[in-house]
Amino acid sequence: GAGVSQSPSNKVTEKGKDVELRCDPISGHTALYWYRQSLGQGLEFLIYFQGNSAPDKSGLPSDRFSAERTGGSVSTLTIQRTQQEDSAVYLCASSLVGQVFEKLFFGSGTQLSVL
Amino acid sequence: AQKVTQAQTEISVVEKEDVTLDCVYETRDTTYYLFWYKQPPSGELVFLIRRNSFDEQNEISGRYSWNFQKSTSSFNFTITASQVVDSAVYFCALSEGRRSQGNLIFGKGTKLSVKP
Repeated sequence: GAGVSQSPSNKVTEKGKDVELRCDPISGHTALYWYRQSLGQGLEFLIYFQGNSAPDKSGLPSDRFSAERTGGSVSTLTIQRTQQEDSAVYLCASSLVGQVFEKLFFGSGTQLSVL
Repeated sequence: AQKVTQAQTEISVVEKEDVTLDCVYETRDTTYYLFWYKQPPSGELVFLIRRNSFDEQNEISGRYSWNFQKSTSSFNFTITASQVVDSAVYFCALSEGRRSQGNLIFGKGTKLSVKP
C-alpha cells in the first residue's frame, strides 16, 4: 500500500481478554517495528522484524506480549490477558532494509483501552 | 538514564512567534543519526529531518531550521513565524551506529500549541 496501515484504529477490551493488533507495512519494506506510546512516556520500542524474523524482542514488556510476521509483510502484535496498564497507542513503522540511518514510516496507530 | 531528553513538555505560542524545541542526546558512538518527527493530532508520525554525526551544518527548510552542536550534544529545532498548523507533538530521536538495525530511541516529545 501507499503507507503503513494499522487496524483496528481503536480497540476497547475488558481486562483479561486477548487482543490482536495488525500492521500492514509499506510494500517492499523488509524492516518492521512496533512501538508503544503511553501518555507522557514518549515512544517505547517493543520489537523489530527483519523479514519474518525478530532479531530484537528486547522491548516486549512481558511474556503476555508476542508478535509475528508472515510473508515478510503483515505483522500481528498479540497481547494476552490484557491489563489496564496495557492501555496505550500501539504504533507500527516500517523501513526499506532496517539500516541505522533509515527514516521510519509510521502508521496512525491502534488506540487500545483496557477496561 | 535517558538517551534523548526533550526538557520542554509543552510550549504554547501565539501565531507568528518563533519557537525553539530543545533536544539533548547521549551516546558513546562516534557514528549516529538524529531525527525529528512531527505527530499531528491524527496520530501518524511524520519524518522531518535526519542528521548524521559527521555533519554539523545547520539546515534550513522553509520556516524550519535545525541546529546540531556536538559540543553540547544538542539538536535543536526552530520554527520561524509559527502557524496554527504547526501545532503537534514533536519528537527527537537517536539511532546509534553500533546497532545492527535502525531502531530509533525517542525522547518524550514536546507538545507545541500555536494559538491564532
